[in-house]
Amino acid sequence: ETGVTQSPTHLIKTRGQQVTLRCSSQSGHNTVSWYQQALGQGPQFIFQYYREEENGRGNFPPRFSGLQFPNYSSELNVNALELDDSALYLCASSVGYEQYFGPGTRLTVT
Amino acid sequence: KQEVTQIPAALSVPEGENLVLNCSFTDSAIYNLQWFRQDPGKGLTSLLLIQSSQREQTSGRLNASLDKSSGRSTLYIAASQPGDSATYLCAVDGGYNKLIFGAGTRLAVHP
Repeated sequence: ETGVTQSPTHLIKTRGQQVTLRCSSQSGHNTVSWYQQALGQGPQFIFQYYREEENGRGNFPPRFSGLQFPNYSSELNVNALELDDSALYLCASSVGYEQYFGPGTRLTVT
Repeated sequence: KQEVTQIPAALSVPEGENLVLNCSFTDSAIYNLQWFRQDPGKGLTSLLLIQSSQREQTSGRLNASLDKSSGRSTLYIAASQPGDSATYLCAVDGGYNKLIFGAGTRLAVHP
């Protein structure tokens, strides 16, 4: 167990809708990163938050946005969902070099 | 732009074999390299982390090596077991814990 939890486990949305995914990190882990993993692929870096500020973004459009809260929880928001957004979304909290991944949220867009 | 490649993409072996999984990366300016295990539909479990100044790390039946200058890492699994069946992912950290992953090697160990 990594101590990182994510909710919900599974989610089905319709194209064009908006979705919020949640992550709860271990106490003291002030860095959280989000990754998208399409079927059969490795995870791709979406963005990272450090002390509630965005600290780098991968090659994802602005309709992917995030928030980090003082209680070590964070959110990933995706607007105007597209079919290609169907994937496993992983959050990872870190202290130092070690990253601890949550179990992921499986998002299906129909 | 950093690219990470893993070979082979899939591997099926009988129980007891010693295995070598390969990972290559294009930019040698990395802070560390990590190997992860992922079971179907699940999150990632960290197996080994090698700092850029290190050559190898060992944990139980697992041994990972790093040759930064040639852009290569190998994960060695000794005496494989059916419980080792999973996807193994290699990831490099180019800075600030932003990992770049390979597509993984799907391993099946049959009794």
